[in-house]
Formats: sequence, C-alpha cells, structure tokens
Amino acid sequence: EDQVTQSPEALRLQEGESSSLNCSYTVSGLRGLFWYRQDPGKGPEFLFTLYSAGEEKEKERLKATLTKKESFLHITAPKPEDSATYLCAVQAGIAGNQFYFGTGTSLTVIP
Amino acid sequence: GAVVSQHPSRVICKSGTSVKIECRSLDFQATTMFWYRQFPKKSLMLMATSNEGSKATYEQGVEKDKFLINHASLTLSTLTVTSAHPEDSSFYICSAKAIGRGETQYFGPGTRLLVL
Repeated sequence: EDQVTQSPEALRLQEGESSSLNCSYTVSGLRGLFWYRQDPGKGPEFLFTLYSAGEEKEKERLKATLTKKESFLHITAPKPEDSATYLCAVQAGIAGNQFYFGTGTSLTVIP
Repeated sequence: GAVVSQHPSRVICKSGTSVKIECRSLDFQATTMFWYRQFPKKSLMLMATSNEGSKATYEQGVEKDKFLINHASLTLSTLTVTSAHPEDSSFYICSAKAIGRGETQYFGPGTRLLVL
C-alpha cells in the first residue's frame, strides 16, 4: 500500500538548535516529492520539489534531500519564526495522478 | 509568482444550504486544480482533481453529487458543497499546477466552512 510517513510528529527545538525532519515513503513510480510549510489556519506554502534520489535543494535555513526511500528536511540554526507544521507530499503512479500527503511534523522553536 | 487565492476565506451557513468556494490562480494559468479538505491536526485529504474544460476526477469515497466542481477557465475552479450538513464543516483548500512549472502544486489560503 502506498503511503507517506513523517517523523517525528512534533519537535521542540531551542533557537539555534539544528535538527532534521524525516519523510519516508513507499510508493510505486515516484514522480516527485514536495515539502510545504503550513501555519495554523492557512494553506500550505511551497518550499521544495525533489524529483530524483541524490537531489538537494536549499533555501535560507532549510535544506531538503532525497533518497530512494526517504527525504529529510534539515533545519540549521532555526529561529522562532520557523515554527510551523512541515508537510511532505509524494506524487506517484504511471500517470502521476496519485498524490499522498504525510501527516506533518509540528515544529516549535523556542527563543 | 504562483499565487492562488480562495474566496470566501470563511463561511457559516445553515444546514441544507449550498455553498460555493472559488479558487483562482492570480499570476499564472493552471491546467489542473485540486481540491482538498483538512480536519483539525490532520493532513490534507485529496477530494478531486479538475482539468480546465473537463469533468473532475473524484477520489474514492467523495460524493460527486455533493461536491460539485467546475473548472471553467485556466484561472478559476469552483467547489460547491450542496445541501451542506454539519459533518461537511471543514477546512477546504485548493491548489493549482502552473503551466510550464512541472508538478509542483501551489496552494490557496483555504476556506473555513462551518455548517450549523
């Protein structure tokens, strides 16, 4: 069964304390893996798209990596404004019409 | 670029009435738009995929007669919740894929629906 699992479910970090969020997936025919940030009561904000194993993308304090089984979102020296829920999504299938979201990691960065 | 808007942002209605939610891509053309619903502290659940000018494709378990989707142009899709009931109360979010920008979906800000 195709699925996407994110861990941990919740993460509390001190400001400046680097860490990583995990997104593991079991799908047939990966077409793309996407990271989004979602603030309470708002729609997801696009962060990164990764298409193939070994690919990496960076933006400010965030860096996303992809292997054949999982993706990591590394947060370097986080700030309180990085607090949000981070969602991972996978597009799969021959026609690319299967789209699965993980349940997210709720990140809280404490000043 | 890649801004998606939704209207209204919040709606309260009585049970039995119908509610229309609009999703617009403001600075790009979208061949495909998606509708999701999200329950508190849960992830997004895909309801349907719509392509401009054709019928929407609904996910298993989603009633097409209850959730009417119209994708009339490359910048507008609408979701109508017909004969809404309290169990339809949820956060509805649309997304759009931009022509020429691969598979990335850009999301709207969401619409909070409360059915009394």
